[in-house]
Amino acid sequence: AQRVTQPEKLLSVFKGAPVELKCNYSYSGSPELFWYVQYSRQRLQLLLRHISRESIKGFTADLNKGETSFHLKKPFAQEEDSAMYYCALRGVTGGGNKLTFGTGTQLKVEL
Amino acid sequence: DAGVTQSPTHLIKTRGQQVTLRCSPKSGHDTVSWYQQALGQGPQFIFQYYEEEERQRGNFPDRFSGHQFPNYSSELNVNALLLGDSALYLCASSLGPSGGAGDTQYFGPGTRLTVL
Repeated sequence: AQRVTQPEKLLSVFKGAPVELKCNYSYSGSPELFWYVQYSRQRLQLLLRHISRESIKGFTADLNKGETSFHLKKPFAQEEDSAMYYCALRGVTGGGNKLTFGTGTQLKVEL
Repeated sequence: DAGVTQSPTHLIKTRGQQVTLRCSPKSGHDTVSWYQQALGQGPQFIFQYYEEEERQRGNFPDRFSGHQFPNYSSELNVNALLLGDSALYLCASSLGPSGGAGDTQYFGPGTRLTVL
């Protein structure tokens, strides 16, 4: 079974402060992890995926297989980062293209 | 390219009725997946269509069915609606059903279904 856990429903930080959105997963095979973001009144869109190993909008995420985590980090939060963030998993081993999402974390960046 | 489009935007039905939701994939995409997003929850996978066949299915009852047309567009049908079916229904399109390093799922804006 695939499971994604995002323990925080809401994370509030001040502008310029570091951000860490937590994501833990459970999957017996080889997973592919993603972060999706939904800005106000916009559709769900891909932010980054672990296999790309790139930084998007200053965000990075490292897959830690030992801790089964894929936390999203940004050193300095900006007001425009306020959005809903979803961690998602795709099982590479026979998992097809199905995504399993966490419940999401609302990030609020305050001035 | 308008990306993934869905219709209608909003829909209100009563218990026991049937509903059909529609999705047009992003240009060049041949695979459509449907997700249900209840209030306060993340999207939950319903099923995926490729080459006009259901390829993968999540934990949803047979009341949920779908169809894919030769032009890759898709429909989601829900029969015998329950109050608990009230949710945002998302369509996502991708290239190919199996995933891979170059694949990304692109989401539509969703259809908000309210069951009274």
